[in-house]
Amino acid sequence: GAVVSQHPSWVICKSGTSVKIECRSLDFQATTMFWYRQFPKQSLMLMATSNEGSKATYEQGVEKDKFLINHASLTLSTLTVTSAHPEDSSFYICSALSVGGSVTGELFFGEGSRLTVL
Amino acid sequence: KNEVEQSPQNLTAQEGEFITINCSYSVGISALHWLQQHPGGGIVSLFMLSSGKKKHGRLIATINIQEKHSSLHITASHPRDSAVYICAVFRSRLTFGEGTQLTVNP
Repeated sequence: GAVVSQHPSWVICKSGTSVKIECRSLDFQATTMFWYRQFPKQSLMLMATSNEGSKATYEQGVEKDKFLINHASLTLSTLTVTSAHPEDSSFYICSALSVGGSVTGELFFGEGSRLTVL
Repeated sequence: KNEVEQSPQNLTAQEGEFITINCSYSVGISALHWLQQHPGGGIVSLFMLSSGKKKHGRLIATINIQEKHSSLHITASHPRDSAVYICAVFRSRLTFGEGTQLTVNP
């Protein structure tokens, strides 16, 4: 079945540094990818919608200069947490909406990336 | 009121029991997803529904569009089914329920 690879699966960084998380669709094309954030024991929260070749659409309250999203190809979207602070520590998950092939229109999730900012 | 409401929030069952998790939503949708999240955090998409019923192994998902309600059933539950089950509705974007923590005891 279709697979979405998210990397890294966990990362620890110092406050003030930037961290890049990759979301890659391995065997299908995804014009649209979604980035979510999840705090402990809470539901997933959509941060932004990433469309290939255009600017991401951010949800209300999500700082676009803080969370940079780039969707440069049909198989890769990246989320960069800039100048990370401890309050950015969270679990970040991506999902990809498939186009074409046998699984068109289905949503596949990455395994998530756990970010800890010291 | 949340757009997506799940019940129950927590569910403990004995191995072999039949389990039902419910999801109600308040807006028109194009699809509803049932997701499974394990303790490590990774998410698996179990079903995507726009109408009717789907079955995969011991899992069954149903949706009633008129009533804006979906159910996820697990037959012959097993401890490895222990996870958080999340209902999410899709229009132009996904809106998630709070999740149901399922624990199946041996």
